[in-house]
Amino acid sequence: GAGVSQSPRYKVAKRGQDVALRCDPISGHVSLFWYQQALGQGPEFLTYFQNEAQLDKSGLPSDRFFAERPEGSVSTLKIQRTQQEDSAVYLCASSLAQGQETQYFGPGTRLLVL
Amino acid sequence: AQTVTQSQPEMSVQEAETVTLSCTYDTSESNYYLFWYKQPPSRQMILVIRQEAYKQQNATENRFSVNFQKAAKSFSLKISDSQLGDTAMYFCAFMKHAGAQKLVFGQGTRLTINP
Repeated sequence: GAGVSQSPRYKVAKRGQDVALRCDPISGHVSLFWYQQALGQGPEFLTYFQNEAQLDKSGLPSDRFFAERPEGSVSTLKIQRTQQEDSAVYLCASSLAQGQETQYFGPGTRLLVL
Repeated sequence: AQTVTQSQPEMSVQEAETVTLSCTYDTSESNYYLFWYKQPPSRQMILVIRQEAYKQQNATENRFSVNFQKAAKSFSLKISDSQLGDTAMYFCAFMKHAGAQKLVFGQGTRLTINP
């Protein structure tokens, strides 16, 4: 089936704006992850869902970051009052279930905050 | 906390040569997974190879193989008969076997295969 998709692919925001980034995981995948990748760096974990339950949000950098997955499929990462340091690529990944270690990544959303 | 270190920011080899990318990690866990992911310029992260720490045999996938040294906490990737399509960023990553399933990535190695 289709892989992980993310939208938009590119987003330019003015400092202080709110943004919402969407992730459509592979159909049937229970686990969903968000990562943040700064330019020239490796991805860093933000948060993890198992179905609709957010089991780990330890990587969210501030309370301006919020993620949800209300029906256990599509997930949205919301960033409020964006700052320049939020500029990065936001990657979504899904895996079949907890304990299924292979994560499949989407193409990412490149966010630029001016 | 786990850390992953890739000490080679950039590497460049000629097509058809063999290249080895280095990765070391630090953990107090006894069972875990290690991965190499490839990120071409299009930015979609693709799994190259994975290793389960309890397996002593090194994983292989066609031209890709690893040298897993558990005691030394080393996990290098060897690419044989390199191809132009192997040009990409390569990330080494760690995952605990139980509990939090998040990946911990290294800083990456930019590999360029020259014709």
